[in-house]
Amino acid sequence: DSGVTQTPKHLITATGQRVTLRCSPRSGDLSVYWYQQSLDQGLQFLIQYYNGEERAKGNILERFSAQQFPDLHSELNLSSLELGDSALYFCASSVGSSGRGPGANVLTFGAGSRLTVL
Amino acid sequence: GDSVTQMEGPVTLSEEAFLTINCTYTATGYPSLFWYVQYPGEGLQLLLKATKADDKGSNKGFEATYRKETTSFHLEKGSVQVSDSAVYFCALSVAEDTGRRALTFGSGTRLQVQP
Repeated sequence: DSGVTQTPKHLITATGQRVTLRCSPRSGDLSVYWYQQSLDQGLQFLIQYYNGEERAKGNILERFSAQQFPDLHSELNLSSLELGDSALYFCASSVGSSGRGPGANVLTFGAGSRLTVL
Repeated sequence: GDSVTQMEGPVTLSEEAFLTINCTYTATGYPSLFWYVQYPGEGLQLLLKATKADDKGSNKGFEATYRKETTSFHLEKGSVQVSDSAVYFCALSVAEDTGRRALTFGSGTRLQVQP
C-alpha cells in the first residue's frame, strides 16, 4: 500500500457521459498529480495541484478538469467521454516545495483507476 | 521541452542474466532522474533515483548512474530473477519557479525474465 488511495478501481461507462475520479494523497503530502496511461500515448502528465492551487498543466483536454480540496484530496472530472479516453488514470502525491532546491521530488503513485468507455 | 528516451521492449532474458535498459534524456536546467517499476496490475513504484551528476542510485540489486556528459541514466542489474518481470520507466524532474514538479516519463520498457 503506497498510501495514495484512488477510487473507483474500475469504471465502465458510455460515450458522452461524465465521470469523477477521486484521489486521497499520502499523509503529509501537499502536491497531487494526475497522469493518464494508455497503450498508444504512454504516461501523460495531466495536471498538478499544490495545497489547493493549480501549479502546472500538461496534456489535459478541455473536457477534463480537476481540483484539490481543502482536505487535500483531489478529483478529476472527465466529461463528454470518447472511446479514446479509455485508459488507466493515476494519481500521485509528493511533499512538494515552493522553490528550487536540492533533492528530488519523489512522486508516490496510487494503484490507478481503469476507465473503459463503450 | 524535456524528454526521456528509453530502449524499446520487450526485453526477454533468462534468469541470472545481466540486464541493461538504456535511458537518455533532454532537459533544460538540472534534472533529477528516476527509475520507476510497474508490476502487472499495479501502480508505479520508485525503484531508484539520482539528483546530481555522477550520483549512483541503487535498490534491490538495480543500479543507475547519472551521466551528465552523455545525458544518460541506464538501468543495470547483474542477475535478474523471474520476479523482476515488469515494465520499467525512466523519468526526470526539473524544479521550476512556477512550482511545477511533475515527472516526465519515457515510454517504458517491458522486461520478461524466463526461468
